[in-house]
Amino acid sequence: NAGVTQTPKFRVLKTGQSMTLLCAQDMNHEYMYWYRQDPGMGLRLIHYSVGEGTTAKGEVPDGYNVSRLKKQNFLLGLESAAPSQTSVYFCASEGTGQETQYFGPGTRLLVL
Amino acid sequence: AQTVTQSQPEMSVQEAETVTLSCTYDTSESDYYLFWYKQPPSRQMILVIRQEAYKQQNATENRFSVNFQKAAKSFSLKISDSQLGDAAMYFCAYRNSRTFGNKLVFGAGTILRVKS
Repeated sequence: NAGVTQTPKFRVLKTGQSMTLLCAQDMNHEYMYWYRQDPGMGLRLIHYSVGEGTTAKGEVPDGYNVSRLKKQNFLLGLESAAPSQTSVYFCASEGTGQETQYFGPGTRLLVL
Repeated sequence: AQTVTQSQPEMSVQEAETVTLSCTYDTSESDYYLFWYKQPPSRQMILVIRQEAYKQQNATENRFSVNFQKAAKSFSLKISDSQLGDAAMYFCAYRNSRTFGNKLVFGAGTILRVKS
């Protein structure tokens, strides 16, 4: 039981490049989330999903897209990376009725 | 919109002593959840403790306990018998309980340093 895993752990991108961050959970959780963490701030919600095939915008969705084709996976895409997207990205999942989110180890992204 | 405020950017405590981290929040809801998460240098977000707003009793997890004052919208974390492994960033977080898939609203965090 690995919990929530994220791939990759660290990545450097050039401005304008694209990439996809993968989040996987093996707890059969319905809900999944993508947050970003910037210095001096708590985590902010980018997008979330309440079930397979569904996604919704969070607090800071601009510049990101997501997909949830399989229940256990939640992908975060950057189509054209910008330096402002330099951050640490966290994925979280939550089971129905649990009211508690469990986090992955984070992905550190540097956009030059 | 709900907001969470942690007014202490940094705190220090001597090993084996007790420290209290402060958190206040703003909401018009009556039913919600409050959390403390720990983030050590590894960056992993670890759930420390959870409090349901409808419960008057303060949550406790081993050396960690909270002082939940609903009327004052205050939710402080007390760490007893502090250990070197407690050194981390601590985040207070709020979530509504009314809607499925609700987001967590985080405070800016408090860095806790533990002195040996």
